[in-house]
Amino acid sequence: TQLLEQSPQFLSIQEGENLTVYCNSSSVFSSLQWYRQEPGEGPVLLVTVVTGGEVKKLKRLTFQFGDARKDSSLHITAAQPGDTGLYLCAGRTSGTYKYIFGTGTRLKVLA
Amino acid sequence: NAGVTQTPKFRILKIGQSMTLQCTQDMNHNYMYWYRQDPGMGLKLIYYSVGAGITDKGEVPNGYNVSRSTTEDFPLRLELAAPSQTSVYFCASSPSKGDYEQYFGPGTRLTVT
Repeated sequence: TQLLEQSPQFLSIQEGENLTVYCNSSSVFSSLQWYRQEPGEGPVLLVTVVTGGEVKKLKRLTFQFGDARKDSSLHITAAQPGDTGLYLCAGRTSGTYKYIFGTGTRLKVLA
Repeated sequence: NAGVTQTPKFRILKIGQSMTLQCTQDMNHNYMYWYRQDPGMGLKLIYYSVGAGITDKGEVPNGYNVSRSTTEDFPLRLELAAPSQTSVYFCASSPSKGDYEQYFGPGTRLTVT
């Protein structure tokens, strides 16, 4: 059974602070996605990473795929209350069409 | 485009009742998925489909059935509802090439009592 563990599970920080969320597995993924989900809504894709060591930036968010393609991180610089939500990573192994979702990190940014 | 639509938004079932959760997408995506999300948790894949007439089991298929007669529709059937099926159900679709970005519906909140 493939498992994607996210840490921390919960995070409450003040506006303007930096944070990093981790997504780890023992499986090798051909691609990994990060989603953000707000209460009462479905997840929305933030980014897809496909190459080991790849770094992608989306405004204040920086995503990194591990060299061995088993882990990933999401770093938020100068967090804002609008960043509040549930962050989910999802990995796809080679030869499959389905993604396995991580356990989730619930972020709350206080004004 | 409406994207992915799901009905109903909320439903309360008694133990042993049956129901069908509807999912429709208008993006001509070949791939469709059903997930369940328990409170504060990530998503668990129930079933998925790579095209009309083709379905396959995900991580937690027991107690559910699906069909895919058209590209647009992917209904999820609960035959004998149990309290363990209380959850929020999300349908998603993705194109069959590229990064397989998944587009999610708004979810169906199901309570079984």
